[in-house]
Amino acid sequence: DIQMTQSPSTLSASVGDRATITCRASQSIDKYLAWYQCKPGEAPKLLIYKASTLESGIPSRFSGSGSGTEFTLTISSLQPDDFATYYCQQYNDYSPTFGGGTKVEIK
Amino acid sequence: QVQLVQSGAEVAKPGSSVRVSCKASGGTFTTYAINWLRLAPGQGLEWVGVTIPILNTVNYADTFQGRVTITTDQSTNTVYMVLTNLRSEDTALYYCARGATAYSDTSWLDLWGRGTLVAVSS
Repeated sequence: DIQMTQSPSTLSASVGDRATITCRASQSIDKYLAWYQCKPGEAPKLLIYKASTLESGIPSRFSGSGSGTEFTLTISSLQPDDFATYYCQQYNDYSPTFGGGTKVEIK
Repeated sequence: QVQLVQSGAEVAKPGSSVRVSCKASGGTFTTYAINWLRLAPGQGLEWVGVTIPILNTVNYADTFQGRVTITTDQSTNTVYMVLTNLRSEDTALYYCARGATAYSDTSWLDLWGRGTLVAVSS
């Protein structure tokens, strides 16, 4: 299986801050990477797919970049609704795998 | 607009089985893959398996081979996941999620259910 390593595991930040989350794959996955936002009691939400394509309805403060083995999710200016846990997912092969998650919390 | 509606929470004893359902409300999903995933306490998301109803295909994660079965009732637009021989480590929130690409079981997941809590306890 392809291993996905996400960092940091926790990110403490304030409203208005820029937040950056990194995801590294154990082998090249081209651009077969997605990002999700998870909140307790809610259905997880797709943010980004194909590494950098913004899902319809997702605010433009979210952006993704990268290819191969290194990827980044950036939130340009954190809003109160953005405090949540974020996961990356590779779908390059028949056994998709996820990063360990990054909890974005209020500083 | 299609929503994925999952069945309610389950409490099960070690060694027993559990069945969780995922129904497409407001539409169908037969040409799209339905994945099952889980989120255990203190852990990250883990993929369990996938089915493409119209192709009648299933694929399971190696970790769950032999213990999980995914089936579809196309007449009710419902996909089921059965997990057998439960152990305490199977306590988790189980999600169904739709693959975004028709006829493909490798895709990003564009629509998720809200999750079903399965608690395994004696």
